[in-house]
Amino acid sequence: AQTVTQSQPEMSVQEAETVTLSCTYDTSENNYYLFWYKQPPSRQMILVIRQEAYKQQNATENRFSVNFQKAAKSFSLKISDSQLGDTAMYFCAFMKQDNTDKLIFGTGTRLQVFP
Amino acid sequence: EADIYQTPRYLVIGTGKKITLECSQTMGHDKMYWYQQDPGMELHLIHYSYGVNSTEKGDLSSESTVSRIRTEHFPLTLESARPSHTSQYLCATHGGGSPDTQYFGPGTRLTVL
Repeated sequence: AQTVTQSQPEMSVQEAETVTLSCTYDTSENNYYLFWYKQPPSRQMILVIRQEAYKQQNATENRFSVNFQKAAKSFSLKISDSQLGDTAMYFCAFMKQDNTDKLIFGTGTRLQVFP
Repeated sequence: EADIYQTPRYLVIGTGKKITLECSQTMGHDKMYWYQQDPGMELHLIHYSYGVNSTEKGDLSSESTVSRIRTEHFPLTLESARPSHTSQYLCATHGGGSPDTQYFGPGTRLTVL
């Protein structure tokens, strides 16, 4: 069975600084997808960034980028130039490449951005 | 605009009541999911559906039931609510993008007294 571990329950960062959120996972699969989702306080869960395991190049989306280390089963999220609106719970998620497309989530990291 | 809708957004109800949480989507996606998010914020899959007339139990056992009579609609029902059912329930669909991704509704926060 697959598991996703986020070892940082809470993180904080000052506005305009850079922060990295950690995520490790365990799987015996070779083909899979990884995601970071953001859930602002009392607001909707939204996709931040996604990565296909077969791609060596790390995904980037504006200020968000990942460091995907397949051999180490690590998938960290870097947020550059942090903004107050980045304050949220961040969830790392794993999806096996099968017909169910089920997501397995980590326990989340609560990020607080301070002015 | 394509979206996922959940109603009600908040519900406070007494023990023993029957409730139905509604989820509808205009995304055009076949696959739909229900997640339960506990107060500690962990998310657990409780039901999913591949399409019309398809329902499957998720990884976390739940006393709730679901139905999928129309592609757009995936309601969740609790026949007799209990305080242990107090949680946030998130509906999601799957499709689109590269790779295909799950998209989430705004959630229903349920409190059972």
